[in-house]
Amino acid sequence: NAGVTQTPKFRILKIGQSMTLQCTQDMNHNYMYWYRQDPGMGLKLIYYSVGAGITDKGEVPNGYNVSRSTTEDFPLRLELAAPSQTSVYFCASSPTSRGLGELFFGEGSRLTVL
Amino acid sequence: DQQVKQNSPSLSVQEGRISILNCDYTNSMFDYFLWYKKYPAEGPTFLISISSIKDKNEDGRFTVFLNKSAKHLSLHIVPSQPGDSAVYFCAASTYNQGGKLIFGQGTELSVKP
Repeated sequence: NAGVTQTPKFRILKIGQSMTLQCTQDMNHNYMYWYRQDPGMGLKLIYYSVGAGITDKGEVPNGYNVSRSTTEDFPLRLELAAPSQTSVYFCASSPTSRGLGELFFGEGSRLTVL
Repeated sequence: DQQVKQNSPSLSVQEGRISILNCDYTNSMFDYFLWYKKYPAEGPTFLISISSIKDKNEDGRFTVFLNKSAKHLSLHIVPSQPGDSAVYFCAASTYNQGGKLIFGQGTELSVKP
């Protein structure tokens, strides 16, 4: 029962490098989200998707890109890594976008940009 | 401007006693609220939620209270257990915005045996 799987769990990048954080879910959820958590702060929404082919910006989208070619996968792309992107990134999915639908989170990907 | 605030970064409670975690919000458009629990090196897991049409929701040892006039909610854990030691996040959203949650900073609960 995998749920939401994120890779890699840890990564160190140099300034200006690019990388993709992978996220896949096996619950057939239409809705998927990327959040970031900075130390001592709550989670902030980066991007979200309401289904394959449809994505939209969240609260802190600058410096990131996403795509959603399948229901299962929602990768997050960092094009030119900056120290401000040092954070823990969480992918989540939910079966609905309305009402009291809970989010199911992955274990997180810890990214350090030096 | 932080729309959801948890003003206590940490809380320490004795096993068997009540834990009360607090959360304040500023946006009166929020109409549902959730609590998530997070252990180190894991993702947050859903704990309990409440709609703005209610003032209380109970699930086993966990009860969430909502005071809309004060824009305040609280999570009560009774009795507290050592396994409850974790970071608790309060989150809020509007009904049509579902998973686009606004999170508080979190409160780290430590339950001592």
